[in-house]
Amino acid sequence: AQSVSQHNHHVILSEAASLELGCNYSYGGTVNLFWYVQYPGQHLQLLLKYFSGDPLVKGIKGFEAEFIKSKFSFNLRKPSVQWSDTAEYFCAVNSDAGNMLTFGGGTRLMVKP
Amino acid sequence: GAGVSQSPSNKVTEKGKDVELRCDPISGHTALYWYRQRLGQGLEFLIYFQGNSAPDKSGLPSDRFSAERTGESVSTLTIQRTQQEDSAVYLCASSPQPSGATLSTDTQYFGPGTRLTVL
Repeated sequence: AQSVSQHNHHVILSEAASLELGCNYSYGGTVNLFWYVQYPGQHLQLLLKYFSGDPLVKGIKGFEAEFIKSKFSFNLRKPSVQWSDTAEYFCAVNSDAGNMLTFGGGTRLMVKP
Repeated sequence: GAGVSQSPSNKVTEKGKDVELRCDPISGHTALYWYRQRLGQGLEFLIYFQGNSAPDKSGLPSDRFSAERTGESVSTLTIQRTQQEDSAVYLCASSPQPSGATLSTDTQYFGPGTRLTVL
């Protein structure tokens, strides 16, 4: 069975600081990797995803993530956060074992203006 | 266009009662998923419908949980004899993935969820 770990449960940053949220998964087969975001009062929405090709993936709102297969990692980055990035971020995978997503526990990001 | 909708948005029930939660997927989406999010935790997969195939029920936590889907439209999740540990937000997602896809790259689009509280 696959699993996903997000090591940072809560992160507080000031505006313009750089962000990196960790995500590690465990599964030996082929995976697709996703980052979803949930802004306060809104639905979960896709930030970016990786399924093949260039391991550096760019998503919406200036976010990017890098798939490092040897480390089973898919960390999310943003060079300069804004107050509007305050949200909860979820890393997820699906695999050749099934199309359902396995989610990490989430990271709550608070950006102070 | 219209997204995934769920009803009710909130449900408070007494322990031992049955509840039914509804999901309307995006029109044309063949795949439909149910997930559960307990307070402070990530989402847990419950059940997955893909077209006319038999549903994947591997995530259902007990036989008190069941779900149905009519064709490629509405789905209902039923919890019988609710327990306090069933309190959670129940999320539905749909995806356009084609039948037979063994590793879908399609985005899952989530609804707003139903917050269930069992007293």
